[in-house]
Amino acid sequence: NAGVTQTPKFQVLKTGQSMTLQCAQDMNHNSMYWYRQDPGMGLRLIYYSASEGTTDKGEVPNGYNVSRLNKREFSLRLESAAPSQTSVYFCASTIGAGSHEQYFGPGTRLTVT
Amino acid sequence: KQEVTQIPAALSVPEGENLVLNCSFTDSAIYNLQWFRQDPGKGLTSLLLIQSSQREQTSGRLNASLDKSSGRSTLYIAASQPGDSATYLCAVTTSQLSFGAGTTVTVRA
Repeated sequence: NAGVTQTPKFQVLKTGQSMTLQCAQDMNHNSMYWYRQDPGMGLRLIYYSASEGTTDKGEVPNGYNVSRLNKREFSLRLESAAPSQTSVYFCASTIGAGSHEQYFGPGTRLTVT
Repeated sequence: KQEVTQIPAALSVPEGENLVLNCSFTDSAIYNLQWFRQDPGKGLTSLLLIQSSQREQTSGRLNASLDKSSGRSTLYIAASQPGDSATYLCAVTTSQLSFGAGTTVTVRA
């Protein structure tokens, strides 16, 4: 049982390049989330998927798109990377939205030059 | 919009001292409050989850209290050890999970 896995662990992009961050969970969770963590600001929600087939914007969605590929996988895409998107990105999952515990992946450290 | 504040931002204590970490939030209509630990360069590990109907949760040397009406939670770590050095984050769930910026703890041997 791997929990929540993320790939890649590290990535360096040039401004304007695109890339997709992958996330998968093997806990049969319904809800999945993407966060970014910046120094001194805690984690901020980018997008979430309450259940398979649905996605919704979080606090900071601009510049990102997501795809809930199936119940296990939830990807985050940067179409045209900007230096302001340099951050650590975390994926999380929970059984369902609301009162349940969230489980986090190890993170992807992204640098945009 | 839910605002979550953690004070202090950093804390350094000698080994064996008890740790007290504070978290406050502005909207008391929460489903739960969760405390996480984050080691440098790593992901988040859930320590304790307190449902809105609960007043406290305990796990080993860790005890977390919740006072929903005043918008406060406190994490107590008894008899601190150098291995407790990490950043501790609290997060509250309303429609979404909102995080504080964390308290970075250093336990000196």
